[in-house]
Amino acid sequence: GENVEQHPSTLSVQEGDSAVIKCTYSDSASNYFPWYKQELGKGPQLIIDIRSNVGEKKDQRIAVTLNKTAKHFSLHITETQPEDSAVYFCAAATGGFKTIFGAGTRLFVKA
Amino acid sequence: EAGVVQSPRYKIIEKKQPVAFWCNPISGHNTLYWYLQNLGQGPELLIRYENEEAVDDSQLPKDRFSAERLKGVDSTLKIQPAELGDSAVYLCASSWDRGNNEQFFGPGTRLTVL
Repeated sequence: GENVEQHPSTLSVQEGDSAVIKCTYSDSASNYFPWYKQELGKGPQLIIDIRSNVGEKKDQRIAVTLNKTAKHFSLHITETQPEDSAVYFCAAATGGFKTIFGAGTRLFVKA
Repeated sequence: EAGVVQSPRYKIIEKKQPVAFWCNPISGHNTLYWYLQNLGQGPELLIRYENEEAVDDSQLPKDRFSAERLKGVDSTLKIQPAELGDSAVYLCASSWDRGNNEQFFGPGTRLTVL
């Protein structure tokens, strides 16, 4: 079945450094790739998304890249801050149908 | 604008007991999702509604789980009887439609089965 693999499972960075989270997907029909941030005791919240007709998208300190040929997509957070500490999930969806989530990356930003 | 509302936030029950979770989606959102989130894992879809119709329930364990979305607004997810392995967070989400649009998640209900 469809699968999304996410790495690393845990990431610790110093405040101000960059953080990169990588995902791969198996379903070549996937065309929508959202990223969610989940804080303790809360539901996931969309932070950025990218569609298959775009290779890169940026929103302030957050950027996402997509390589459809390799079925890879990545989240880049620059100038990390302590409030960026959370669990981040990548996901892949196909035409509005089932969204498959990765297992998550726990990001620690040390002040 | 109010977000997705879920209740209860926490529930502790003994195995073999029934339990129900309630979700009120964002006003105007036609699509509603119920997800299961195990500790340290990403959400896994249980069922998706478009208005009042369950259009994807392939991952719902129908021997013990049931769901309904009367009038295409609020939804209830039920487990009867609960098993120890059902301990998890149950998330509800909604979106405008089934296209590739942002899903808005509620805070979830943390279920503990003893």
